[in-house]
Amino acid sequence: SYELAQPPSVSVSPGQTVSITCSGFKLGDRYASWYQQKPGQSPVMVIHQDNKRPSGIPERFSGSNSGNTATLTISGTQAMDEADYFCQAWDRSMAVFGGGTKLTVL
Amino acid sequence: EVQLLESGGGLVQPGGSLRLSCAASRITFSNYSVNWVRQAPGKGLEWVSFISTSGTYKYYADSVKGRFTISRDNSKNSLYLQMDSLRAEDTAVYFCATGSIDHAFDIWGQGTMLTVSS
Repeated sequence: SYELAQPPSVSVSPGQTVSITCSGFKLGDRYASWYQQKPGQSPVMVIHQDNKRPSGIPERFSGSNSGNTATLTISGTQAMDEADYFCQAWDRSMAVFGGGTKLTVL
Repeated sequence: EVQLLESGGGLVQPGGSLRLSCAASRITFSNYSVNWVRQAPGKGLEWVSFISTSGTYKYYADSVKGRFTISRDNSKNSLYLQMDSLRAEDTAVYFCATGSIDHAFDIWGQGTMLTVSS
């Protein structure tokens, strides 16, 4: 079965740029999406179609996807960005999520 | 504002059955594919099932195939998940989520908790 791998945790200082990676076999050949989930809340889509931001998502969120790796980048990270982030892609009519990355803003 | 509201969760014994519902408001529900996604306590997200706009296409995760059935009633703006032969490992918060044009999960409900335990 298809798998997506994410680092369990990443930390960043306020105002800095942070990247969260998501790795999967030929992931660049399919669309990747990213979801933010804060404690006790439902997930929110922050990136879809590799690099598109839904309405209402701040410009500091950006995405890329090539080869075997999709990347979510947050520029000028704010304290409110502290959350779990999950990548997601489709494989043969089945959706797959990465294990999630806990972003800590120190 | 678009809203998805799940209901039907609760405590069920292993081997039991339960039906979850998801009611949509302020969207043309029939225009959207919809998914169920679950999250076990303290764990990550796990996709469960997909249904196309008309209900023609239905897909399931291997972990629930043959036990869960997804359905929808567009006249009632509602999505359902019939869950049979429940196991302890099905314990999770179940979210419904609409699919965007590229089948990303763009709108999520608040979730409903299912606990499978004796």
